Amino acid sequence: AQSVTQPDIHITVSEGASLELRCNYSYGATPYLFWYVQSPGQGLQLLLKYFSGDTLVQGIKGFEAEFKRSQSSFNLRKPSVHWSDAAEYFCAVAGKGFKTIFGAGTRLFVKA
Amino acid sequence: EAGVAQSPRYKIIEKRQSVAFWCNPISGHATLYWYQQILGQGPKLLIQFQNNGVVDDSQLPKDRFSAERLKGVDSTLKIQPAKLEDSAVYLCASSLGLAGGLIGEQFFGPGTRLTVL
Repeated sequence: AQSVTQPDIHITVSEGASLELRCNYSYGATPYLFWYVQSPGQGLQLLLKYFSGDTLVQGIKGFEAEFKRSQSSFNLRKPSVHWSDAAEYFCAVAGKGFKTIFGAGTRLFVKA
Repeated sequence: EAGVAQSPRYKIIEKRQSVAFWCNPISGHATLYWYQQILGQGPKLLIQFQNNGVVDDSQLPKDRFSAERLKGVDSTLKIQPAKLEDSAVYLCASSLGLAGGLIGEQFFGPGTRLTVL
């Protein structure tokens, strides 16, 4: 069965510092992988997605993620965090039937 | 381009009452999803429509939840009767569909926050 684990419930980083949010998935075949962001009171917005090909994918707002099959991971990174990046981030995996399973989320706090 | 519309944005009801949520997807999007997001958790798929047919409703509590998408456009999700544990944000999303065998990007509405007292 598909599953997604986001080990960090919340992370605090200083503005301008680098960021890495962890995501591990479980799926028997090559999955479709996604990162979404949810700001307070807002719906989810897609940051980036991986279907196949280059394992380093670029997304919006300066985010990138790397698919590592050997580690079953799809970690999200950003080289320099801005205060406006404070939000909840969800990793998701889709597989057979394209049913999408979301992780529990990681809340990002940005300190000045 | 208009996004996914949902109403109401907030709803407070007492347990055992009924409630309905409405969703209007992005024009031309064949696939429509309803998710339940309980506080502190990720969204959980309740039901997925492709046009007006159900693709997946395996996690929909069918004894109390129902959903329809009669004309393949907008959709309603109903809970009857509501329980305390139904308190959550109900998110609607839409995508172009499964065209070409690739999963389409899902666009989410702002959600309906339901509180059951």
